[in-house]
Amino acid sequence: ELKVEQNPLFLSMQEGKNYTIYCNYSTTSDRLYWYRQDPGKSLESLFVLLSNGAVKQEGRLMASLDTKARLSTLHITAAVHDLSATYFCAVDMWGGAQKLVFGQGTRLTINP
Amino acid sequence: GAGVSQSPSNKVTEKGKDVELRCDPISGHTALYWYRQSLGQGLEFLIYFQGNSAPDKSGLPSDRFSAERTGGSVSTLTIQRTQQEDSAVYLCASTRGQPSYEQYFGPGTRLTVT
Repeated sequence: ELKVEQNPLFLSMQEGKNYTIYCNYSTTSDRLYWYRQDPGKSLESLFVLLSNGAVKQEGRLMASLDTKARLSTLHITAAVHDLSATYFCAVDMWGGAQKLVFGQGTRLTINP
Repeated sequence: GAGVSQSPSNKVTEKGKDVELRCDPISGHTALYWYRQSLGQGLEFLIYFQGNSAPDKSGLPSDRFSAERTGGSVSTLTIQRTQQEDSAVYLCASTRGQPSYEQYFGPGTRLTVT
C-alpha cells in the first residue's frame, strides 16, 4: 500500500524566512505532484515532477524529486504572506491509472 | 479556458436520503476522477474513469456509492442512503493524460448529512 507522509504538518513562519516541506512516499513512483489549497477552495496545481532529479521553480517556491530516496521537497524562499495556504504532495498510486495518494497536507502560516 | 465545474457547490441532506453530485470535466480530457476530502481521512481517491474503459471503483467506501460517466464527459456520483460519515467535500478532477498526467480539480461539492 502506497503511503505518503508530509512534514511538518503545521508551519508558522515569519515573512522573509526560508523553509522546506518534506514529502516521503513508501513505494516506487516516478510522478509526484504538489498542490496548494486555500481555505474553502479547491486544489491548485503547483508542480509536476516526472523524473529523478527533477527541479521546478515558480516564484518563491521550488520543488525537487529524488526517486531513489522516495523524497520530494518544497522549498520556500523569503516567504511572503500570500503564500499562506495548505500544501499537499501527491503520488501516483501506480503508473498506469494515475490515481493519486495524497499526503496529509502542510498548513503554512506566514506572519508579517 | 473553462476549468472543471461541479454542482451543487453545497448540499445539505437528511440521513437516509440519496444525493447526486455532478462533475463537468475540462473539454478534451479523457480521464476523470472523484476524490473526497474530510477532516478525519484527508484526501481519498474514490473512482476513476478513462475513456470507454470500465471504471476503477477500488476507492469507493461502500456499495452505497456509485458513479457513471455519460458520453465520455459529464460524471455523476450518487450516494444512496446517506450517512453522517459521508459528510465531506467531494472533488472531481480531470486530466488530458500524457505527458504529465496533471490533474485539474474542480471547486468541489460540500456535502453535509444531518
